[in-house]
Amino acid sequence: KQEVTQIPAALSVPEGENLVLNCSFTDSAIYNLQWFRQDPGKGLTSLLLIQSSQREQTSGRLNASLDKSSGRSTLYIAASQPGDSATYLCAVTPSGAGSYQLTFGKGTKLSVIP
Amino acid sequence: NAGVTQTPKFRVLKTGQSMTLLCAQDMNHEYMYWYRQDPGMGLRLIHYSVGEGTTAKGEVPDGYNVSRLKKQNFLLGLESAAPSQTSVYFCASSLSSGGWGEQFFGPGTRLTVL
Repeated sequence: KQEVTQIPAALSVPEGENLVLNCSFTDSAIYNLQWFRQDPGKGLTSLLLIQSSQREQTSGRLNASLDKSSGRSTLYIAASQPGDSATYLCAVTPSGAGSYQLTFGKGTKLSVIP
Repeated sequence: NAGVTQTPKFRVLKTGQSMTLLCAQDMNHEYMYWYRQDPGMGLRLIHYSVGEGTTAKGEVPDGYNVSRLKKQNFLLGLESAAPSQTSVYFCASSLSSGGWGEQFFGPGTRLTVL
């Protein structure tokens, strides 16, 4: 069974710092990996989707990388801002049977201190 | 373009009562999903649909039923609510499955069963 782990569970950084969030998964047979942002009491906002054949995706100050063979992904946030404070979730779509079901990590709660 | 919407936003039920959660999307997506989010458990898939008139079970389907009579709507029903169903429920949709199946989420419904 696919398991997704995000470490650390919480992270606090001063404004302006560059930071990296980590995501690992146990089964490398995936179609894609998706990073989401969740604000308190809100839904999930899709940030980046990386296909299994891709190594990275970029959107503004965000850069996500994928190393499928080692079961790892990182989300890099450049020049962090207080508005980046949220919980970040990663999720993988398994390839083959069950390709509809995202398996989520439990998230990293990020606090950016002004 | 409203994306994915959910009604209601909040609901309190007594044990044994029934209710239906409505999800609507205006992106002409084929695939729709219902998840629940619980502290320490992450998001788990309840049921999903790969097209109008079709539904299938996810990871935690017991106690729930679904229907997809129209492409844009996906209903989640609780026939006899139990306290264990206290959770935040999210609906999501995607244009396709597999590698290009980026999922878009609604704002959630917070359900409390007393």
